Amino acid sequence: AQSVTQLDSQVPVFEEAPVELRCNYSSSVSVYLFWYVQYPNQGLQLLLKYLSGSTLVKGINGFEAEFNKSQTSFHLRKPSVHISDTAEYFCAVSDSYSGAGSYQLTFGKGTKLSVIP
Amino acid sequence: EAGVAQSPRYKIIEKRQSVAFWCNPISGHATLYWYQQILGQGPKLLIQFQNNGVVDDSQLPKDRFSAERLKGVDSTLKIQPAKLEDSAVYLCASSFWTRTNTEAFFGQGTRLTVV
Repeated sequence: AQSVTQLDSQVPVFEEAPVELRCNYSSSVSVYLFWYVQYPNQGLQLLLKYLSGSTLVKGINGFEAEFNKSQTSFHLRKPSVHISDTAEYFCAVSDSYSGAGSYQLTFGKGTKLSVIP
Repeated sequence: EAGVAQSPRYKIIEKRQSVAFWCNPISGHATLYWYQQILGQGPKLLIQFQNNGVVDDSQLPKDRFSAERLKGVDSTLKIQPAKLEDSAVYLCASSFWTRTNTEAFFGQGTRLTVV
């Protein structure tokens, strides 16, 4: 069974400062990793994903994440945050591809990012 | 491309009443998911469909929750009777998984309040 741990439930950060949101996962098989963002009263939007290849993944809105297999981590980073980045961020994991219909996302509990002007 | 459509957006019911949520996935997406997101928690999978067949419903409280996906397109999630702890946002997502297409698209959700 897979699980995802997001170590910080809330992260306040000043505008234009860098931020890192931490995510650790556990799985006995090869995995795919995702970061989703949820704005108030909205659904989830994909920020970025790691499937294979380069461990540094770039996503939308200037975010990037680094896959570290030895530490089973997939931390999300942004060098300079904006007010508009205030939202909740979810890390998710799924098993790697094993046929149509096989994917199932397991989510962490989320990290609320608050950007302070 | 139209996204995943859900209705209603908000619903308030009394405990022991019944309620139904509707989801229209993105055209051509064979996989459909219903997630429950309780305030302060991450989404939890309730049920996963592949076309009109159930792939996983292990976390669906089957004594009160039911879901169907007739004709492999639209889906309905029903709760009967509702309990206070069912208050949550119910998210529908769809996808067409391949080796290179690995994104699930989410609807805006239905916020259920049970009083």
